[in-house]
Amino acid sequence: KAGVTQTPRYLIKTRGQQVTLSCSPISGHRSVSWYQQTPGQGLQFLFEYFSETQRNKGNFPGRFSGRQFSNSRSEMNVSTLELGDSALYLCASSFAGSYNEQFFGPGTRLTVL
Amino acid sequence: QKEVEQNSGPLSVPEGAIASLNCTYSDRGSQSFFWYRQYSGKSPELIMFIYSNGDKEDGRFTAQLNKASQYVSLLIRDSQPSDSATYLCAGPKGSGGGADGLTFGKGTHLIIQP
Repeated sequence: KAGVTQTPRYLIKTRGQQVTLSCSPISGHRSVSWYQQTPGQGLQFLFEYFSETQRNKGNFPGRFSGRQFSNSRSEMNVSTLELGDSALYLCASSFAGSYNEQFFGPGTRLTVL
Repeated sequence: QKEVEQNSGPLSVPEGAIASLNCTYSDRGSQSFFWYRQYSGKSPELIMFIYSNGDKEDGRFTAQLNKASQYVSLLIRDSQPSDSATYLCAGPKGSGGGADGLTFGKGTHLIIQP
């Protein structure tokens, strides 16, 4: 069974630009959660999508948004990038939801210059 | 905002010894917890979860949950150099029985010395 995939693996953007990250969950998993990981703040929850609906949201500004498609693939968008958005963005898929066993993808490393 | 806290370490343990990792949480009503392992440059992987008070064993790993004292621990017996990693503790983010997602501690960096 294929694992969670994320594209792209690396991104370099400049301040003010926007970016879209993609996540394909494990086949059959309906839940996709997104996390931001930085050395200072650790792993922070962004949001969770379940069956195309946002089920939970973390404490991030509205510049961070996401969506989920009918095939459970999910995208995350960050608009008006700031230097502080530089981080590893991880998605995790789960069959039943983020409070069950989650499988993480390899992450997208975003650098904002 | 519910908190999960861990000592960042590094925690250095000789090979073959027991490594003990601890995590405290703020919400007395939290029911269950997860331990993830993250190697440098890799993504987290789930190694243990525990739903009830007491101990849960899986191979060399034992998770312990003490709801009265609000702490969770992970014991690694017969520590191996391959156990060197950052260990993340996670608990429920909200009060929705876990449906609100997870909140993670910042992780403890474990070093197993050969």
